[in-house]
Amino acid sequence: DTGVSQNPRHKITKRGQNVTFRCDPISEHNRLYWYRQTLGQGPEFLTYFQNEAQLEKSRLLSDRFSAERPKGSFSTLEIQRTEQGDSAMYLCASSGPVQGVYGYTFGSGTRLTVV
Amino acid sequence: DQQVKQNSPSLSVQEGRISILNCDYTNSMFDYFLWYKKYPAEGPTFLISISSIKDKNEDGRFTVFLNKSAKHLSLHIVPSQPGDSAVYFCAASDPGSARQLTFGSGTQLTVLP
Repeated sequence: DTGVSQNPRHKITKRGQNVTFRCDPISEHNRLYWYRQTLGQGPEFLTYFQNEAQLEKSRLLSDRFSAERPKGSFSTLEIQRTEQGDSAMYLCASSGPVQGVYGYTFGSGTRLTVV
Repeated sequence: DQQVKQNSPSLSVQEGRISILNCDYTNSMFDYFLWYKKYPAEGPTFLISISSIKDKNEDGRFTVFLNKSAKHLSLHIVPSQPGDSAVYFCAASDPGSARQLTFGSGTQLTVLP
């Protein structure tokens, strides 16, 4: 069990550029979640995958955001035409089929800064 | 609409004393509550949880109390240690939401040696 891995740890990008983040969950976990955390706030839910199916998306996930989980393994979160308001910590979490919410494990996050 | 609220952004406690962190919620559908601890540059780490069918859960120095009628929960840390200094998030889950978590805004706990 190597935990949930997120890459890159930090990303600085210019406004208008596209960025992509990757999350590698714990290998036997079939559920994968993306959250976003801004300064002084708790993490906010963005989207949820069960295996390769994206089952739920928050209204926070605008058209510029897209997430995928091909083959039900790693996941990517892409932000197109980044805006300064996208600056945040993007957290990935995974859990197993039995544990559900009881077994959430978070990664260390990707900190995005849009300049 | 903040469904989970932590009204104290910060708390300072002397080493060895009790730390009490509070959390209020508004959604009566929440049936499971969790506390997470977060250090800078790391993701949240699960600390302790409680189901809505219980009013207390204990794990070592950590105890979570749930008052459903008041929609209030609290985390007690006894005795507090300097290594407990971190941001503590309260989170809640309801069964109809794919088990996504709704977080409070966090409380920065500082344990003074």
